[in-house]
Amino acid sequence: AQKVTQAQTEISVVEKEDVTLDCVYETRDTTYYLFWYKQPPSGELVFLIRRNSFDEQNEISGRYSWNFQKSTSSFNFTITASQVVDSAVYFCALSEAGYSTLTFGKGTMLLVSP
Amino acid sequence: ETGVTQTPRHLVMGMTNKKSLKCEQHLGHNAMYWYKQSAKKPLELMFVYSLEERVENNSVPSRFSPECPNSSHLFLHLHTLQPEDSALYLCASSQRRGQGTVNTEAFFGQGTRLTVV
Repeated sequence: AQKVTQAQTEISVVEKEDVTLDCVYETRDTTYYLFWYKQPPSGELVFLIRRNSFDEQNEISGRYSWNFQKSTSSFNFTITASQVVDSAVYFCALSEAGYSTLTFGKGTMLLVSP
Repeated sequence: ETGVTQTPRHLVMGMTNKKSLKCEQHLGHNAMYWYKQSAKKPLELMFVYSLEERVENNSVPSRFSPECPNSSHLFLHLHTLQPEDSALYLCASSQRRGQGTVNTEAFFGQGTRLTVV
């Protein structure tokens, strides 16, 4: 069975601080996909990134970066120089190859104060 | 319109009412999903429709009845709900491919906030 664990329930930072959101996953599949979604107060889940299990290259997109480490089954997400607009709930998710159904973690609520 | 749209955004219903949630996707995807998001619980997959056929039902009570008349529309019919069914119901769509191929990401609507009184 698949499982995604986001141990941090809530994180509070002050604007311009860097923050890392942790994600640990479990799966028996050799091919799988990892995702991060952002859920602002409006409710919609906004897709941020998808990684497949064969690509362990870290990725950077503006202030966002992702660190995928297969050896520790982790897919952590770092926001550099956080901003108030980054305040949201962030979800890490996992899916098997060929199927788009997602197993979500419980989410981490990020509060960025001015 | 683009993306995935859900109506209504908010719904309050009594336990004896019958109501329906609607989802429409404008992305040309072939799969649609219903997820339930309750307070302090992970997002739970309820139903999956692929090419208008239900391919997954995650032990959802029969008081929830999905309908997918075409690849762009998905409904969730509700009847005799319980207060514990109060939650945010999210619809999503994706391009579902075969085994061993690239998995595309799912795009979500803004959800319907349901309150059962």
